[in-house]
Amino acid sequence: GENVEQHPSTLSVQEGDSAVIKCTYSDSASNYFPWYKQELGKRPQLIIDIRSNVGEKKDQRIAVTLNKTAKHFSLHITETQPEDSAVYFCAASTSDMRFGAGTRLTVKP
Amino acid sequence: KAGVTQTPRYLIKTRGQQVTLSCSPISGHRSVSWYQQTPGQGLQFLFEYFSETQRNKGNFPGRFSGRQFSNSRSEMNVSTLELGDSALYLCASSSGLTGSPGELFFGEGSRLTVL
Repeated sequence: GENVEQHPSTLSVQEGDSAVIKCTYSDSASNYFPWYKQELGKRPQLIIDIRSNVGEKKDQRIAVTLNKTAKHFSLHITETQPEDSAVYFCAASTSDMRFGAGTRLTVKP
Repeated sequence: KAGVTQTPRYLIKTRGQQVTLSCSPISGHRSVSWYQQTPGQGLQFLFEYFSETQRNKGNFPGRFSGRQFSNSRSEMNVSTLELGDSALYLCASSSGLTGSPGELFFGEGSRLTVL
């Protein structure tokens, strides 16, 4: 089955800085790549996603890039704010959805 | 529209017992996926059900099983509980109509503690 690796496991940035989280996947048939944000004690929620026919997608301060050849995709958060502090999960989907181990992002005011 | 509902929210069991968790998906969603969440391990895929059929399965032992009913509600069962089964069990629903889950909508989870 699909294997998703995510780095780094923890990331600490200063408010206003950018944050980048990277993921790799193993199954070249994967065609859907969502990112979920999980705040402490809450359920994961989708923040942005990208399909395999698109190289980049942006939504305000967050963007995702996909390199199908290298089988990796990244989440970029610009102008980080304290409320961005959470655990972020990447995922790759073929017939089912497999998640990375998560990145705990801390934004220091 | 009501969200994904999981019951019970918290439960404590002892080793060797069994447990059944329930998940009611968003109305109209036919796919239900189950995940185990433990610190450092992320979300581990258990299985996915679509229209009462198990469509995909992760790499968990046979002690973990599930089913889906005609109203799309799903249950998962863990038999012969082990200490390592302590985790947050998350259920997620989606339309599932494209043959793959698509956007997942998660419940709040059932936190299982095994003593």
